[in-house]
Amino acid sequence: EVKLLESGGGLVQPGGSLRLSCAASGFTFADFYMSWIRQSPGKAPEWLSFIRNKANSYTTEYNPSVKGRFTISRDDTQNVLYLQMNTLRAEDTAIYYCAKHEQAAPFAYWGQGTLVTVSS
Amino acid sequence: DIVLTQSPALAVSLGQRATISCKTNQNVDYYGNSYMHWYQQKPGQQPKLLIYLASNLASGIPARFSGRGSGTDFTLTIDPVEADDTATYYCQQSRNLPWTFGGGTKLELK
Repeated sequence: EVKLLESGGGLVQPGGSLRLSCAASGFTFADFYMSWIRQSPGKAPEWLSFIRNKANSYTTEYNPSVKGRFTISRDDTQNVLYLQMNTLRAEDTAIYYCAKHEQAAPFAYWGQGTLVTVSS
Repeated sequence: DIVLTQSPALAVSLGQRATISCKTNQNVDYYGNSYMHWYQQKPGQQPKLLIYLASNLASGIPARFSGRGSGTDFTLTIDPVEADDTATYYCQQSRNLPWTFGGGTKLELK
């Protein structure tokens, strides 16, 4: 059974940093692309970033809305996906989900999400 | 960015057909595939994939759900609607980066 478990969310002040993790199990993590998606309260989901698999050199893509502030990475030895978030703003407040997918395929599996609140 | 436009809400009666539309401002077709997907989200839950590549039923999804369309016009149909289908439905394109979602259509029962 595919499982994705996000962690690392919480309350952070504007301008602060946070690193999210997503622990994966139930599939060969190294074979798949992985994405971060967020959803602000009452809003549609927003795709943030994905990282390709080893076969595609772990290259990354970002939504311009977060490029330069957020960094995606992965550890295939531990089956963990990360999102380093810097210079956080109030508008980054959202539930952050990780998702497993293939190249341009849909998000077939999502985690339960972790809540990030940016507030003073 | 590709913009996906959905009507905010739809009310249907139990047992009737619900048709949810999604229109894009750019063609999302590429080499014979339409890179359009549909998700269902209930309050407090993560989105769940219903339809991928415009018309393919995701694993475990009942055949009451179907999708069609190409180019810039897509629809998700639920027939017949059951009480458990009350949720918000999102379309999403993976043709061009950044991948984008529609604003969602909230399905309610009359």
